[in-house]
Amino acid sequence: ELKVEQNPLFLSMQEGKNYTIYCNYSTTSDRLYWYRQDPGKSLESLFVLLSNGAVKQEGRLMASLDTKARLSTLHITAAVHDLSATYFCAVNFGNEKLTFGTGTRLTIIP
Amino acid sequence: GAVVSQHPSRVICKSGTSVKIECRSLDFQATTMFWYRQFPKKSLMLMATSNEGSKATYEQGVEKDKFLINHASLTLSTLTVTSAHPEDSSFYICSASQPGSVTEAFFGQGTRLTVV
Repeated sequence: ELKVEQNPLFLSMQEGKNYTIYCNYSTTSDRLYWYRQDPGKSLESLFVLLSNGAVKQEGRLMASLDTKARLSTLHITAAVHDLSATYFCAVNFGNEKLTFGTGTRLTIIP
Repeated sequence: GAVVSQHPSRVICKSGTSVKIECRSLDFQATTMFWYRQFPKKSLMLMATSNEGSKATYEQGVEKDKFLINHASLTLSTLTVTSAHPEDSSFYICSASQPGSVTEAFFGQGTRLTVV
């Protein structure tokens, strides 16, 4: 079964702190995506990770992919309120379809 | 990035009626589009794969007679929710990838359907 799991599901963190969201998936893939969703909105693409060891950074967010461990991480550095949103990882298992993780609802507390 | 436009963004309909949602790729041709459904505070669930010029491929558990998908052109896929019931109320999102580049999917703005 193709499964994508994220943890934590909910995360409240103070501004200025660092934290990591984890995305585990069940079978081989080398295409992993991170998205942001604000309430009532659609998905905003954050990162596309296409190979083992890929690391991408944009502002306070950094994503990495370890295909051997079937694990991706989304690291948040010195969080600010604007980063409050729900973050999804999604995996392509080779058939053009995306299987989404459970999502992590991030709340940044001033 | 490529643009995918979804319309309407919000729709309220009465039980028993049908509603059509459009998904357009504005600056590229998409032979394949995807339709997702999202319940409040939940993840996205793939409903079906829309294939230009052929029948859609539905995921297990999705009623094809209830959720009619038409992909008559390379830039337009439509999802029609037939005989809508309150339990069909949800957020529907479409996506498409550029031909020859399956590395990234572009998502429409989503449609909030409320059936009363």
